[in-house]
Amino acid sequence: EPEVTQTPSHQVTQMGQEVILRCVPISNHLYFYWYRQILGQKVEFLVSFYNNEISEKSEIFDDQFSVERPDGSNFTLKIRSTKLEDSAMYFCASTIGIVEGYTFGSGTRLTVV
Amino acid sequence: DAKTTQPPSMDCAEGRAANLPCNHSTISGNEYVYWYRQIHSQGPQYIIHGLKNNETNEMASLIITEDRKSSTLILPHATLRDTAVYYCIVRRITGGGNKLTFGTGTQLKVEL
Repeated sequence: EPEVTQTPSHQVTQMGQEVILRCVPISNHLYFYWYRQILGQKVEFLVSFYNNEISEKSEIFDDQFSVERPDGSNFTLKIRSTKLEDSAMYFCASTIGIVEGYTFGSGTRLTVV
Repeated sequence: DAKTTQPPSMDCAEGRAANLPCNHSTISGNEYVYWYRQIHSQGPQYIIHGLKNNETNEMASLIITEDRKSSTLILPHATLRDTAVYYCIVRRITGGGNKLTFGTGTQLKVEL
């Protein structure tokens, strides 16, 4: 069964550093998403991406965050200057259409120290 | 998107059917009901979705009441591996982001 692949599985970074979280969505999917889950809390929407542009973003997704689909296969989330409160599991997801269910990746655990 | 209400936890014996309820009394006509689950800290897993009619796939069945104000997810023969948090999400389909808004879900514990 096709999978959404996320790398790395765990990343530790110092506060103020830039991090890039990488995702390879399912190849024929058209809609891409990032979500995050702080330990013990709900899964929260960050951003959706379609046709090479952001279609929706949450209040969490401020100027420190950006997304890119550089080569037609990868989908990246960049955090420019990490804060302690950015520590969370980050999940990438993709879907082929707007009604179909999402396929989520297994996540990247980001720890900011 | 309409708000949903789910019990915080449920138990089920292995091999029995697990029936997980969800109330969505403010649902609109163009909103779908989706079910996802999350096993421990893994990525959420899509289970099933529906608009008006009952739906069945290889994982589960979704029963939506005629007035669409509530639904039930049925796992016909629960196994230990079905222990997870189950999320009922109501979602309006638009041409935009189509985000999912997760609540706290129902923690299903399947026991021997």
